[in-house]
Amino acid sequence: QVQLQESGPGLVKPSETLSLTCTVSGGSISSYYWSWIRQPPGKGLEWIGYIYYSGSTNYNPSLKSRVTISVDTSKNQFSLKLSSVTAADTAVYYCARHAGPAYGDYVYDYWGQGTLVTVSS
Amino acid sequence: DIVMTQSPDSLAVSLGERATINCKSSQSVLYSSNNKNYLAWYQQKPGQPPKLLIYWASTRESGVPDRFSGSGSGTDFTLTISSLQAEDVAVYYCQQYYSTPRSAFGGGTKVEIK
Repeated sequence: QVQLQESGPGLVKPSETLSLTCTVSGGSISSYYWSWIRQPPGKGLEWIGYIYYSGSTNYNPSLKSRVTISVDTSKNQFSLKLSSVTAADTAVYYCARHAGPAYGDYVYDYWGQGTLVTVSS
Repeated sequence: DIVMTQSPDSLAVSLGERATINCKSSQSVLYSSNNKNYLAWYQQKPGQPPKLLIYWASTRESGVPDRFSGSGSGTDFTLTISSLQAEDVAVYYCQQYYSTPRSAFGGGTKVEIK
């Protein structure tokens, strides 16, 4: 059973960089796409970006200038960096696996439990 | 960008009764070359991540009870819970994945027990 676990600071100061890591267990990070998705408290879901195990990425245009996603296949991990954060970036951040071509590639079948990141001084 | 609009925002249904959730996309998510609707449904219970219920608009994910069904094509879609159970209390989201990579989610519909 594939499991994803987000880790990183729960509190980030305004203008600083949010950094999170997703550790994949129970399966290989290879041959799949992996996404970061966030959910502000009490609100809906917003896709941030994805990375393929090979390292190719694609980001939400609304966040593109501030987002970097990277992968470390040796550790079965991928990471998110979001720079110049503001209170609007306060959210639960999820990592998720793309289900694959049989589902249409951009459907998410495994999710981490999510981690709340609060932006506050 | 494709915008997904769900209705209602919330609904209260008696146990054993039918719950119907609607999702409308601002443009068609039906891909003509394969005749598939690029539309998925997720269930999110409090304090949990979303769970995939349905993809291709009407294909149930493995392990999802058959009281959950999806229907619709083009721009108008429906998620139906045929006989609401207590464990179905959740927020339900539709998601289009036709216009990728920026897949868009609907605003969510909260289902409660009446």
